[in-house]
Formats: sequence, structure tokens, C-alpha cells
Amino acid sequence: QKEVEQNSGPLSVPEGAIASLNCTYSDRGSQSFFWYRQYSGKSPELIMFIYSNGDKEDGRFTAQLNKASQYVSLLIRDSQPSDSATYLCAVVRSGGYNKLIFGAGTRLAVHP
Amino acid sequence: EAQVTQNPRYLITVTGKKLTVTCSQNMNHEYMSWYRQDPGLGLRQIYYSMNVEVTDKGDVPEGYKVSRKEKRNFPLILESPSPNQTSLYFCASSFDGGSLKYFGPGTRLLVL
Repeated sequence: QKEVEQNSGPLSVPEGAIASLNCTYSDRGSQSFFWYRQYSGKSPELIMFIYSNGDKEDGRFTAQLNKASQYVSLLIRDSQPSDSATYLCAVVRSGGYNKLIFGAGTRLAVHP
Repeated sequence: EAQVTQNPRYLITVTGKKLTVTCSQNMNHEYMSWYRQDPGLGLRQIYYSMNVEVTDKGDVPEGYKVSRKEKRNFPLILESPSPNQTSLYFCASSFDGGSLKYFGPGTRLLVL
């Protein structure tokens, strides 16, 4: 079992719709969770982080965390073609020094 | 401008020919890390460094070496590259490693 699992996609949504990206993790002790956006051929860009159960909103992005279910999600409202990218979920592994573990990413395609 | 730089950006080499990929940051960050990214596997940590002269293995360290003689630089050394090291490499830095905001532009390596 991978430490951080994501559906590879592609997730295809029409422009203006809500895109929902999901991530599960195996380390029950993890406390910090991050979402990165990566355009093809580019480096990852940090877009959201969440530490507490519940929702956290930033502009069109909402991160949701459910530690009991070991589940993190990212909602993108009013999706735009410029949101088309791969979204990486990352989790800080518990124990020892901070170590960020990445999922393989979900490719999102927003079509006009 | 805060940035992480990597060189070279693209490299084609042959099996067994030693190479070094440089990484430099201008933010006085203590934590630096190297990742490789392969299709379907996401970003996997190779080595990390918590400060000058302090380095440790990540999840896939075999075949790689690093050094941290200065705070700003964290070179990745492949002493005898093999084709399975063909990958996209990213260097990243942060104050504490818990969240990685700054990534280099990536180095695409092909080992023949």
C-alpha cells in the first residue's frame, strides 16, 4: 500500500464546474497535509495546506481534511482551463524529522 | 527574488560517467532536499539536509551522494549513473522541511 494514494485521472470537468480531487494516506500519525499544482514540465507549486479537521478555503480552492478516515480532498470552484494541471497531495510522515511524502498526482483537465 | 536554481536543466550522459547536478538557494534556508519524479510514482525523496554538514537518506538514496558544505548549496552526485536513474530531478528548500514551498526548475536526466 502506498503511503499517499491518488487517482491518476485524468479528471475531466467542464469550465465553471467544481473539480473534486481526492487523496488518502496510510500514516495515522500524520498531522500536516499539502496540495501542490504542477504544470507539465514545471516544478510543483504549493497552493494549499491544512492541519485541522474540516474545511479551509482560499479563493476558489477549498481543502478538506478528515483524519478519522485518513482522507484529504481539494475542491476547485469555477474551474478554468488554466487549472488544467497535475495536482499532488503531500503528507508529512510522523516520527523523526519532518519528511514530506507525495502522492503520484491526479491529472485535471478543464475543457471549455 | 527568492529562488532555487539547478544546473544543468537537461543532461544526456552515458552509463558510468560521473556527474553532478548543482542546487543553490538564496533564502538562507536550513533544509534542502532532492527528489526524483517518475511517471506513476510521484516525487520520491533521495536525500535531505537539515543544515551544513548534516545530511540523511530519503526513500531512494541508492546510487546517489550529496554534500552540504555551504548553507546555500546542495549538489547531487551520481558517481556511476545507470539507465534506471533516468528521471526528472527537483531540488527544494524550506526553513524546516515541514512544507516545501520553493522548488528548483528541475533537471531532466537521460542515462544511455
